[in-house]
Formats: sequence, C-alpha cells, structure tokens
Amino acid sequence: GAVVSQHPSWVICKSGTSVKIECRSLDFQATTMFWYRQFPKQSLMLMATSNEGSKATYEQGVEKDKFLINHASLTLSTLTVTSAHPEDSSFYICSASIDFTDTQYFGPGTRLTVL
Amino acid sequence: DAKTTQPTSMDCAEGRAANLPCNHSTISGNEYVYWYRQIHSQGPQYIIHGLKNNETNEMASLIITEDRKSSTLILPHATLRDTAVYYCIVRVAPLQTGANNLFFGTGTRLTVIP
Repeated sequence: GAVVSQHPSWVICKSGTSVKIECRSLDFQATTMFWYRQFPKQSLMLMATSNEGSKATYEQGVEKDKFLINHASLTLSTLTVTSAHPEDSSFYICSASIDFTDTQYFGPGTRLTVL
Repeated sequence: DAKTTQPTSMDCAEGRAANLPCNHSTISGNEYVYWYRQIHSQGPQYIIHGLKNNETNEMASLIITEDRKSSTLILPHATLRDTAVYYCIVRVAPLQTGANNLFFGTGTRLTVIP
C-alpha cells in the first residue's frame, strides 16, 4: 500500500516553455501533498505543501508564480514549472500523506532538464 | 535546521546486519524519529518511525535509547539492494506546530559489499 506515482519520469524542454508534472496517490486518498526539489549531490528541499481544494503554501524563496501547484482531487496534484530556465533543471519529487499528520510517502521523482 | 547527526558513509557486508546510528540530542518529547532511504535517482522510501518505544516492521528495526537522544536503524540481513542514502529525521507532531515538514539532512550513504 501507500504507492505514489509521478509522470513523466523525465522530461527535456526548451528554455521559456512550461512543463507540468503529475503526482498521484494510487491506493489511498491524500489530503496533503508535498513538492520537493533535489539538485545533484544535494539533499531534498521542500518547495511547497498543498492541501486538497486549497492554495498551496510555498517555502521561503520559492516563487509561487513560477511553480504553479494544483491539488484538485484527493489523488492528484500537479506542479507546473512556468517559463523554465536551465537553472530549473533538477529532480522534482512529490510526496503524499493521508492527512496532515500522517507519514509522507514519496513518488519516484521526475528529472527535468531545461536546454 | 538539522536536528540529527549521522555518519557520512558506512559499509556493510552482504548478509550481515547493518546498524545505522543517528544522534538527536536536542529532541523534544513530542518529536518522532523517522527513517527514510533514497536509492540513486529514486524518490525516498519510508522505512520506519517511532517516538520512544523500539519498533520493528518487515524492513527494519528501530532502537531508540531510553533518553531518546540517539537511535539506531537495523537492517537485519543487508542485501545489495539496500545500498542507498539513509536519512534520520526528527519530526515534530504536526498537530502541535501546524507543519508537517520533513527536513532531509545529508544522511548516511550505506554501501553493501558483496
């Protein structure tokens, strides 16, 4: 149980374009989903927390207009990287929890490369 | 802020028990100890968590000292697939803080040797 998927697993895009990443909880309903970013040889850094049906809460330094998060259902959250630039190239990982207090289960990650 | 201290790296022979230590000397009474691991280029995998009692599941055992200032994750029979970075995370009960953040430090890189 507690399986989280992400799509796509990797994506290459041109600078200035937008990319959408999906995160799905496959066998449970996730009230809360989290988005992390991991640069090479670094640890995970939380970008934002989203609760189903409400606006996401962004961590300090993360631009909410650049990283659009939608959590429209209890099994799906999306992260859209708008006007991507090479410095946005990273490993994006989502996690989901049944509710705000529960253990977070992580997806397999999406590797974004912006040319 | 990092609330845990872990060795940077460890080796373990295949088939032997892997004991991964973690110091969390400033842990508070309402803080849980969580362990995750991350295999290269994958998302973190939840392993186990505990508050003050020792815990065991199908993956590992978690031994927490009586004063709760340190803990040890035990993989009873390490296999090559257990090679990963292991993160020990102290997490405050979200209901008390309004946050459910997990702070991933640098972790311990465990290498299981054939």
